[in-house]
Amino acid sequence: DSGVTQTPKHLITATGQRVTLRCSPRSGDLSVYWYQQSLDQGLQFLIQYYNGEERAKGNILERFSAQQFPDLHSELNLSSLELGDSALYFCASSTSPEGAWTSGDLSYEQYFGPGTRLTVT
Amino acid sequence: QKEVEQDPGPLSVPEGAIVSLNCTYSNSAFQYFMWYRQYSRKGPELLMYTYSSGNKEDGRFTAQVDKSSKYISLFIRDSQPSDSATYLCAMSEIGSATNKLIFGTGTLLAVQP
Repeated sequence: DSGVTQTPKHLITATGQRVTLRCSPRSGDLSVYWYQQSLDQGLQFLIQYYNGEERAKGNILERFSAQQFPDLHSELNLSSLELGDSALYFCASSTSPEGAWTSGDLSYEQYFGPGTRLTVT
Repeated sequence: QKEVEQDPGPLSVPEGAIVSLNCTYSNSAFQYFMWYRQYSRKGPELLMYTYSSGNKEDGRFTAQVDKSSKYISLFIRDSQPSDSATYLCAMSEIGSATNKLIFGTGTLLAVQP
């Protein structure tokens, strides 16, 4: 158990709908990362939040948005869902301050949650 | 072209075999190289990491990085059925304000008893 929790485990919804995925990071971790895993694209970075602020964006569609709340939990909102949005969505957390990698230390390992499986029908 | 390319699987080997998993990459700024293991219906978990070039050994696992060739490998000795999983390579840049990971697509490994 990584200490990262995600809800719900499974979500089945119809095209055009909107869903919210929730992530609670490990205790003390300030950074939250969202990834999408699909069969054809593999695991792709979507977005990172650090202590409530957006830090980096990856291949995140405009229909998707995220936020990190004062208690550090994060939500990923997916709207106008399409069949192609069906995937596993993972959240990861780390202690990651700025310039995390400069020390050569892996204190900033990312710990992954169990994922949310989204099926759009 | 993807930043990280990983040999496609699936790979099926008998118990006790030596397994070689590989990735290539194109971004010279990558300095952190990781291998994650993902069991079915679970999140990825960090198996090993290497900073810059060189080899690293941990039990039956050895990670190698060849930055001149932009090539990384994971070797599993005396493979066990419990090693059956998807193995993902991941990389990150040094000095980045974020340690976002760029993953390969993963290789599915099955170790047959």
